[in-house]
Formats: sequence, structure tokens, C-alpha cells
Amino acid sequence: GNSVTQMEGPVTLSEEAFLTINCTYTATGYPSLFWYVQYPGEGLQLLLKATKADDKGSNKGFEATYRKETTSFHLEKGSVQVSDSAVYFCALSQSGGSNYKLTFGKGTLLTVNP
Amino acid sequence: GAVVSQHPSRVICKSGTSVKIECRSLDFQATTMFWYRQFPKQSLMLMATSNEGSKATYEQGVEKDKFLINHASLTLSTLTVTSAHPEDSSFYICSASNSVHEQYFGPGTRLTVT
Repeated sequence: GNSVTQMEGPVTLSEEAFLTINCTYTATGYPSLFWYVQYPGEGLQLLLKATKADDKGSNKGFEATYRKETTSFHLEKGSVQVSDSAVYFCALSQSGGSNYKLTFGKGTLLTVNP
Repeated sequence: GAVVSQHPSRVICKSGTSVKIECRSLDFQATTMFWYRQFPKQSLMLMATSNEGSKATYEQGVEKDKFLINHASLTLSTLTVTSAHPEDSSFYICSASNSVHEQYFGPGTRLTVT
């Protein structure tokens, strides 16, 4: 079956530090890949996505590239801010019958200190 | 665009009572809605998938008689937790989809059963 493995946190950084959160996946065929962000007490927000190999998703300074050869979709940001503190989920989407289901990683808690 | 709301945001109920949670797509028609459960500091667990006008498809291990899902229209799905017990206390999140590979998440409902 499908699975997503992301680096376990928590990750604590100082403001303006470089961020990498690793994500690898297992799936048959060609899934779409996503990063979602969850702020405390809230639901999930789509941060970025990529639907085919070599695509780069980007948003709010975050980037991730769909690497089929390494089955990876690592999240990066060059300079984090305190407001980036949240839980980040890597996910893949693939057909499950007539619906497309999301499979999530366990989430990585990021704390950015001023 | 693509806003999903949930009501209530928080609910406290007594053991043995039933609780209904609503999920609405505010500015689009959702052909499919998903219900997730999230335990503290853990990932989202898909409970069920519902398509408008048909019965929900439950994931393995989810009791369909305990978690009743109704998707009566293209903008509304409800989850009813019947005869709630303290172990049902959790964060319930819905998502709505009108296309493949894209789900829009609600803000979540915190259920506490006393």
C-alpha cells in the first residue's frame, strides 16, 4: 500500500535559519504529492503541491521538488520566520477506486525562535 | 475560494449522548467529502469517504454504526458520533473535493466527551 515517511520532529530553529524537512514515499504508479501546514488548533492548509516528476511546488518561500528517482519530496525554506511555527504534513494522493485518497505522514512540528 | 467550514468548532458532551458535526463547502460544490480523526500530536486518520447521494465508504476498523455520515447535498456533509464515550474525544476534520487530487480542509471540531 501507499505510505509516507517524514522526518520526526520536533525541529527547533532560530529565525532566518534554513529549513529542510525530509519526506519520502512509497506508491505504485504516479501519485501527486503535497505539503500541508497545520497551525495550533486549526485544520490543514495546503502549502504546495506537485503532480508529476520534476515538478517544483512553491509558496510563501517554501519549495519542494518531486523526485521520482529517489521517491522524495523534501520541503525547504531559505529563511524561516517565527510565524512559520506549525506542524507540517507530507502527503500523497492516489486513486482508490472512484475517489482519490490522501495518505499522510506523521507530521513534523517546527518551532522557530526569535 | 475553496472555503470549507465546520460547525461547531468545539463541543463538550456527556457520555452516552450523540453529537452531530457539520461540514460545509461555502463557495463550491463538493462531489466528495472526507472525514478524518486526529489524535494529539499525531497524523490524520481517514475515517470515511462520502459521495453526494450515496452511502459513505468507511475505512477498515471504523464503526459505521457509531460514526454516521450523511452527505445529503453537494455542499453539506454531517458526521454524527452516536452514544459517545470518552475514548471518542478527538479532533475531527473534514475535507471537501470537487476534483481529483485536491482536497480542501475545514478548521476542525474539537470533541470532548465527559
